[in-house]
Amino acid sequence: RKEVEQDPGPFNVPEGATVAFNCTYSNSASQSFFWYRQDCRKEPKLLMSVYSSGNEDGRFTAQLNRASQYISLLIRDSKLSDSATYLCVVNRGGGFKTIFGAGTRLFVKA
Amino acid sequence: DGGITQSPKYLFRKEGQNVTLSCEQNLNHDAMYWYRQDPGQGLRLIYYSQIVNDFQKGDIAEGYSVSREKKESFPLTVTSAQKNPTAFYLCATAGGNRAGNQPQHFGDGTRLSIL
Repeated sequence: RKEVEQDPGPFNVPEGATVAFNCTYSNSASQSFFWYRQDCRKEPKLLMSVYSSGNEDGRFTAQLNRASQYISLLIRDSKLSDSATYLCVVNRGGGFKTIFGAGTRLFVKA
Repeated sequence: DGGITQSPKYLFRKEGQNVTLSCEQNLNHDAMYWYRQDPGQGLRLIYYSQIVNDFQKGDIAEGYSVSREKKESFPLTVTSAQKNPTAFYLCATAGGNRAGNQPQHFGDGTRLSIL
């Protein structure tokens, strides 16, 4: 089993749709969680950190469920510009090593 | 990403040749990382460094070497022992009092191909 697992997709959604991604992690000692977005042939860029109480940034909402060991990302009112690969990132128990999920590909159609 | 410079953007390696990828940062971050990304795959950790003159192997260190002589610089050498070096190489940094729990920020990468 991989340490961090994501549904590879792709997710194909129309503009304006709401889409949710889940990510599961296996190390219960993991302490920090992030979502990144990566455009084709570009470097990953931080989208948002994920806090225990859940957090929101505009159309994006991130949730953490420690009991079930998963994090989620909800995108509301999808835009064409949201088309990208979304990477789930988990810190390995407070150390300096982080694990990246393989990513979920999102296509938003007009 | 602002403050992290990777060079060159594209690099070609001949059989049996060692090549070095540069990563320089002016963010004053303690932690630096090297990742490899293959097409359609996630990022895999090659090496990381928490502080100057110290570095640790990641998950796929074989065939690679690094040094951390200065805080600003973390070069990666792809040696001839790495038989499949074609990939997208990404350097990242993280800072703050608890750098291990901070998000990483990336340079714009180096694409390495075999001639």
